[in-house]
Amino acid sequence: DQQVKQNSPSLSVQEGRISILNCDYTNSMFDYFLWYKKYPAEGPTFLISISSIKDKNEDGRFTVFLNKSAKHLSLHIVPSQPGDSAVYFCAASDPGGYNKLIFGAGTRLAVHP
Amino acid sequence: DTEVTQTPKHLVMGMTNKKSLKCEQHMGHRAMYWYKQKAKKPPELMFVYSYEKLSINESVPSRFSPECPNSSLLNLHLHALQPEDSALYLCASRYTGETTEAFFGQGTRLTVV
Repeated sequence: DQQVKQNSPSLSVQEGRISILNCDYTNSMFDYFLWYKKYPAEGPTFLISISSIKDKNEDGRFTVFLNKSAKHLSLHIVPSQPGDSAVYFCAASDPGGYNKLIFGAGTRLAVHP
Repeated sequence: DTEVTQTPKHLVMGMTNKKSLKCEQHMGHRAMYWYKQKAKKPPELMFVYSYEKLSINESVPSRFSPECPNSSLLNLHLHALQPEDSALYLCASRYTGETTEAFFGQGTRLTVV
C-alpha cells in the first residue's frame, strides 16, 4: 500500500514559468514532509521541508504548500530554470518511530529553454 | 557541513565475491540508513540504525549485512549477491526525531556480474 503518492510521472515546463509538483498521502498521522531533487546516478539532495503545523514554507524559488484536510502537498518552483530538470521525490517522516522516511515514486521535471 | 561520504563510487563484483560499502558522516547524526534504488524507482529502505543499534531491517536477504561500528560510520557487507542486486546503494543520515531532514550520500553504483 503506497502511503505517499506522486501521480504525475513527468512534467514539462518552459523556462521562467512556474513548475508545480504534487504529492498525496494517506496516513493522517504523518506530520513532517520533505522534498528531494535527484539527478541520475547521484544521491537525493534535500530541497525543502514542511511541518504539519504550517501550511506554507518558502526558500528562495521553492515553496511548499500543505493542505492537511486534503492530505496533499505541492512544491512550486518559480521561476523554473533548465538546471531544475531532475527527478523530484516527496517524502514523509513516519511518526511510528525509528526515523523512517517514506518516499513517493517521483516526478521527472524537464525545464525547456 | 552537510556531507555524507560514500565509498566506493562504483563497484563491480562477481557473485562469489565479498565486498563492503562504506558510509561516513560527521554531523553528529545518530540515525543512519541504507537505501537501494533501481532505475526509475524511488529509494527503497533497507536498514535503519539508531544510536548505533539496528532498529529496522526491511526483510532484506542475509547476503546484505549491515554494520555500524560507531556513530559516524556505517558499512554494508555484501556476499554472494545476485545480478538483480545491481542498483544504486544510498546511505543517509539525520538527527533522530521525525522533524529533521535526512542527508544522502552520492551513492555506490553496484554491478553484480
